Amino acid sequence: DSGVTQTPKHLITATGQRVTLRCSPRSGDLSVYWYQQSLDQGLQFLIQYYNGEERAKGNILERFSAQQFPDLHSELNLSSLELGDSALYFCASSERLGSYNEQFFGPGTRLTVL
Amino acid sequence: DQQVKQNSPSLSVQEGRISILNCDYTNSMFDYFLWYKKYPAEGPTFLISISSIKDKNEDGRFTVFLNKSAKHLSLHIVPSQPGDSAVYFCAASAAGTYKYIFGTGTRLKVLA
Repeated sequence: DSGVTQTPKHLITATGQRVTLRCSPRSGDLSVYWYQQSLDQGLQFLIQYYNGEERAKGNILERFSAQQFPDLHSELNLSSLELGDSALYFCASSERLGSYNEQFFGPGTRLTVL
Repeated sequence: DQQVKQNSPSLSVQEGRISILNCDYTNSMFDYFLWYKKYPAEGPTFLISISSIKDKNEDGRFTVFLNKSAKHLSLHIVPSQPGDSAVYFCAASAAGTYKYIFGTGTRLKVLA
């Protein structure tokens, strides 16, 4: 158990809908990262927050947005969903901001768009 | 543009033998590298890391080698155990970028 929790575990929805994925980092971790893993793909970095502020952005679509709240939990919002958005979405957390940090991953949310 | 590549999607090794997983990168600014292991239905777990100032880092049965001139790193597992069967991801980061670029993973199967 990494200490990072993600809800829900599974999510099935239809095209055009909007969903929110939630992540609670390890106690004391200030950085939260979001990744997308599509079938047979590696982990694609989406976005990073540190203590409530966005710090790095990857290949995140404009239909996707995220935020980190004062209690440090984070939410990833996916809107106007398309079939291609079906994937595993992982959240990870780390203690500090810098690159030389081990990231601790949650178990992921499996999103299926029908 | 895939900056971190794991060209072997799968690898099978006999129990007790050495497993060697390879990773190539293209960005010369990368200066920190990590390996993660992932079991089905779980998130990746950190295995071992290496900074670009080193060429080798060891932790128990796991050793990571870094060849900066070839932009290549490898993970050696000796001896391999059935419990090592998982997908292994390498990841790289450049100072100040605050993000990691992951490879597509190599599925290791250790045969008993």
